[in-house]
Amino acid sequence: GAGVSQSPSNKVTEKGKDVELRCDPISGHTALYWYRQSLGQGLEFLIYFQGNSAPDKSGLPSDRFSAERTGGSVSTLTIQRTQQEDSAVYLCASKTGPLSSYEQYFGPGTRLTVT
Amino acid sequence: AQTVTQSQPEMSVQEAETVTLSCTYDTSESNYYLFWYKQPPSRQMILVIRQEAYKQQNATENRFSVNFQKAAKSFSLKISDSQLGDTAMYFCATNRDDKIIFGKGTRLHILP
Repeated sequence: GAGVSQSPSNKVTEKGKDVELRCDPISGHTALYWYRQSLGQGLEFLIYFQGNSAPDKSGLPSDRFSAERTGGSVSTLTIQRTQQEDSAVYLCASKTGPLSSYEQYFGPGTRLTVT
Repeated sequence: AQTVTQSQPEMSVQEAETVTLSCTYDTSESNYYLFWYKQPPSRQMILVIRQEAYKQQNATENRFSVNFQKAAKSFSLKISDSQLGDTAMYFCATNRDDKIIFGKGTRLHILP
């Protein structure tokens, strides 16, 4: 079946503009994660959705970052008033359910460049 | 708090050699999982191997195996008979609640 998809693959934007990044998880996966990967760094957790529960937003770096997950499927990560330090690869992952034993399946990421 | 440390930022080995990537971790979870993920230049993160902390037996997946030393909080990855396709970033990780905490990665180059 289809894996996790993300769009766009690459995004270049000017400082101060808003951007929206999209994630389509694997069908039926109830858990969805967003991560940020800065150059040469590991993955930084941003936000986690599990079913109909309130999302875990504990990793969002500032109030310029927000995310939604509509209908328990597609998710959008929005960054308002982008700054140069927001430049990174944004990765989305999904998994079957809440248990830690379940494997997270990752999308190919969106490379965001803020000029 | 959970932390994951990978002390080798970059490594290079010849094709067909065996290579070991180091990882140490700290966790407050009583039962936890440890992971090694591979990220090739395509950016696609792929789970290589997973270890459940309560299992003493080291996990093995074909050419990939781990050396899990629970008391020392060490979780190294051994790649046997390395292949050019193994060239990638490798991330060690552990779970915190239902999230995964990643190390900063080791960039592995397999040389022809």
